[in-house]
Amino acid sequence: GAVVSQHPSRVICKSGTSVKIECRSLDFQATTMFWYRQFPKQSLMLMATSNEGSKATYEQGVEKDKFLINHASLTLSTLTVTSAHPEDSSFYICSARKPTGTGTTGELFFGEGSRLTVL
Amino acid sequence: DAKTTQPTSMDCAEGRAANLPCNHSTISGNEYVYWYRQIHSQGPQYIIHGLKNNETNEMASLIITEDRKSSTLILPHATLRDTAVYYCIVSVGGSQGNLIFGKGTKLSVKP
Repeated sequence: GAVVSQHPSRVICKSGTSVKIECRSLDFQATTMFWYRQFPKQSLMLMATSNEGSKATYEQGVEKDKFLINHASLTLSTLTVTSAHPEDSSFYICSARKPTGTGTTGELFFGEGSRLTVL
Repeated sequence: DAKTTQPTSMDCAEGRAANLPCNHSTISGNEYVYWYRQIHSQGPQYIIHGLKNNETNEMASLIITEDRKSSTLILPHATLRDTAVYYCIVSVGGSQGNLIFGKGTKLSVKP
């Protein structure tokens, strides 16, 4: 079953509004989560690394004031797209690494993705 | 930039083995080879990973060359549901390191 869950799976919003996407690790604690963005027919692009209890680390070219990341607990990270524009329409995917020693060797698990459409 | 090179697309007949190659000639000694796949409009799914030795699980087998510069993912009996984009990624394993995705191989399993 899924070990990382995202919500909502689909969201449509008006231009200028803000949208929050949640990412939860279901049966493990994740001190680090990763947020990716994927445009149609393209590969996943890493946006930022979400660190529990500290500021997120953003990849070059990703606006931290536009894509707000909050990792308030060991099982929840949120991505808020602020003042959304149509060009922000994309598939947003989060991931978390299951700690070693829990029956895994640290592989990264991905959420189901959240498709954002900005009108 | 991704550190791997994969063919853009491949076809495979249903029921036959699918062999997906990946070149990673600049892999470092502490980097693992990971394979994920992404079915349309879903998040990537973990398949398998390895460091030096060949690995097998319920989904696939991973064959890594002795010099570790290339690997092959083998789906022993491909089904239509295995149609997906397959990503080969090299990364430091354990609790560190994110994954940098390349363009992957679009595998089409045909009846």
